[in-house]
Amino acid sequence: DVKVTQSSRYLVKRTGEKVFLECVQDMDHENMFWYRQDPGLGLRLIYFSYDVKMKEKGDIPEGYSVSREKKERFSLILESASTNQTSMYLCASRPRGRGRADTQYFGPGTRLTVL
Amino acid sequence: AQSVTQLDSQVPVFEEAPVELRCNYSSSVSVYLFWYVQYPNQGLQLLLKYLSGSTLVKGINGFEAEFNKSQTSFHLRKPSVHISDTAEYFCAVSVQAGTALIFGKGTTLSVSS
Repeated sequence: DVKVTQSSRYLVKRTGEKVFLECVQDMDHENMFWYRQDPGLGLRLIYFSYDVKMKEKGDIPEGYSVSREKKERFSLILESASTNQTSMYLCASRPRGRGRADTQYFGPGTRLTVL
Repeated sequence: AQSVTQLDSQVPVFEEAPVELRCNYSSSVSVYLFWYVQYPNQGLQLLLKYLSGSTLVKGINGFEAEFNKSQTSFHLRKPSVHISDTAEYFCAVSVQAGTALIFGKGTTLSVSS
């Protein structure tokens, strides 16, 4: 069965801290994505990666960076957390094979609170 | 630029009533269309998708959607809802230029008895 896991369901951090959100998929998918979800705004793409060490900016990359050293793992990094980064963060993966027609599989999400 | 508009942010209905969640998209190229559901405190899961062929698509949990190219719409329907259908529903489009889905802002479906 398809599985995308995220390292934490809930996380509380202080302003200025460096924060790592980890995502692991066990489906050998080439493409991985990070979204943030806010009430009334839906899901907005932060970054995506189409291969190891490859990354592309999404719609709202400011204040974030990513790392993909292994195919199964895609990390989202908040270099210096701020209160406006309090949100739900969702990771997803998708195979390259059929391209844009393929389903994106989502993890359960990490609810981050920055105090 | 491509975009997805979900016309209703909240839809309250009574159990066993029919429901329609509306979705319109704008795109100058051909698209693939998706509906995802998010139950409370969970990630998103696929309800159904339109790739090509028949414009009426059936998904899980008794949901279906109809692709209407002239109206650029992909409305989600269920003839009789259950309490357990209470969730947030997202319409999404996959376009030619990128590899990520573009999501609408979501519709919260609240089913009460």
